[in-house]
Amino acid sequence: KDQVFQPSTVASSEGAVVEIFCNHSVSNAYNFFWYLHFPGCAPRLLVKGSKPSQQGRYNMTYERFSSSLLILQVREADAAVYYCCTGSSNTGKLIFGQGTTLQVKP
Amino acid sequence: DAGITQSPRHKVTETGTPVTLRCHQTENHRYMYWYRQDPGHGLRLIHYSYGVKDTDKGEVSDGYSVSRSKTEDFLLTLESATSSQTSVYFCAIQMDSSSTDTQYFGPGTRLTVL
Repeated sequence: KDQVFQPSTVASSEGAVVEIFCNHSVSNAYNFFWYLHFPGCAPRLLVKGSKPSQQGRYNMTYERFSSSLLILQVREADAAVYYCCTGSSNTGKLIFGQGTTLQVKP
Repeated sequence: DAGITQSPRHKVTETGTPVTLRCHQTENHRYMYWYRQDPGHGLRLIHYSYGVKDTDKGEVSDGYSVSRSKTEDFLLTLESATSSQTSVYFCAIQMDSSSTDTQYFGPGTRLTVL
């Protein structure tokens, strides 16, 4: 079954670099997407691609079946749910992980 | 914002009643999706549309139907709501149906079925 796996919770302290890991079992999937979701708001794309990339404080690592989102200088305001997903080139559908809740201690 | 609105934003209903959620976009994107978000399950695809009157089932389509009579509107209907359909529902749009194209999400509808 095509699935995406990510930890349910990650805890960090302000100012640290936090890493959220994701891997998948999706056939013919070559891209990762990382979304940020604050409750009550629309999930928002942070970074995507099929190679390592960076958008501001957000870095994405890339391997064929795994990716990590690294958030630099994490802040309390970064506490949210982060979704990893990948797209199957067979179906064109995006498949989402369960989401990782980031907890940030002051 | 990607020009996506959802209505209503919140709804409380009773078991057995019909419910329709609306997604409206101003981007003229061809592809539209309905997801539900539940703790421990992330975002799961209910139904999607690849054009006017063209729809197909997703991973968790049982108990749901959809319609798309105009490019800009995608309706999700629960014919007879059940408590297991209590969830947050998100609509998403995508210009091209490919594994490389970004999906843009609406703000969500929180549905509670009593």
